[in-house]
Amino acid sequence: DAKTTQPTSMDCAEGRAANLPCNHSTISGNEYVYWYRQIHSQGPQYIIHGLKNNETNEMASLIITEDRKSSTLILPHATLRDTAVYYCIVRPNMRFGAGTRLTVKP
Amino acid sequence: GAVVSQHPSRVICKSGTSVKIECRSLDFQATTMFWYRQFPKQSLMLMATSNEGSKATYEQGVEKDKFLINHASLTLSTLTVTSAHPEDSSFYICSARGRAGGAKAQPQHFGDGTRLSIL
Repeated sequence: DAKTTQPTSMDCAEGRAANLPCNHSTISGNEYVYWYRQIHSQGPQYIIHGLKNNETNEMASLIITEDRKSSTLILPHATLRDTAVYYCIVRPNMRFGAGTRLTVKP
Repeated sequence: GAVVSQHPSRVICKSGTSVKIECRSLDFQATTMFWYRQFPKQSLMLMATSNEGSKATYEQGVEKDKFLINHASLTLSTLTVTSAHPEDSSFYICSARGRAGGAKAQPQHFGDGTRLSIL
């Protein structure tokens, strides 16, 4: 099963773009990359997912490298409410790593 | 968007009792459901994966006789913690994934979790 590695924590200034990296160097050709976030004491919230093409939705953008060994989640204009733990996981594993604790500061 | 409802949100009970947690997909058919457990300041730990109409697949180290999972319909899965003890106190979270449609895989959607406290 493919595993992911993410930085433990990151800070971002309010209004700036937050770029959260994820390494998934053992990903298989048919495995998607999923991003979720968890705000304290709530269930994880789905953000975005992709296979090999870059993806964008109303919440974020997902940039996947050509070799698919890493990806970056981009929150274009971070707000204080984006402070959360962000998880990058690979299907069909669906196991969560430690994630990245993003703190958006005023 | 897809909604997953989990009930109850919080339960406190005495040691030795059994507790049932329900997970429902409200606006889609969930062919696969997942159950996770999360201890304070830790990540989610996958406990089991269940497909509708078949037995759940448990992760290594998770006792299937302790944590009974039933996924009898495409919209409902239940987790029963049998003979619960204080060490079973945790945050239990379910998620559901719909049938694959089109070219893109379906994401899983999570409930809001159940905080279980065993006295």
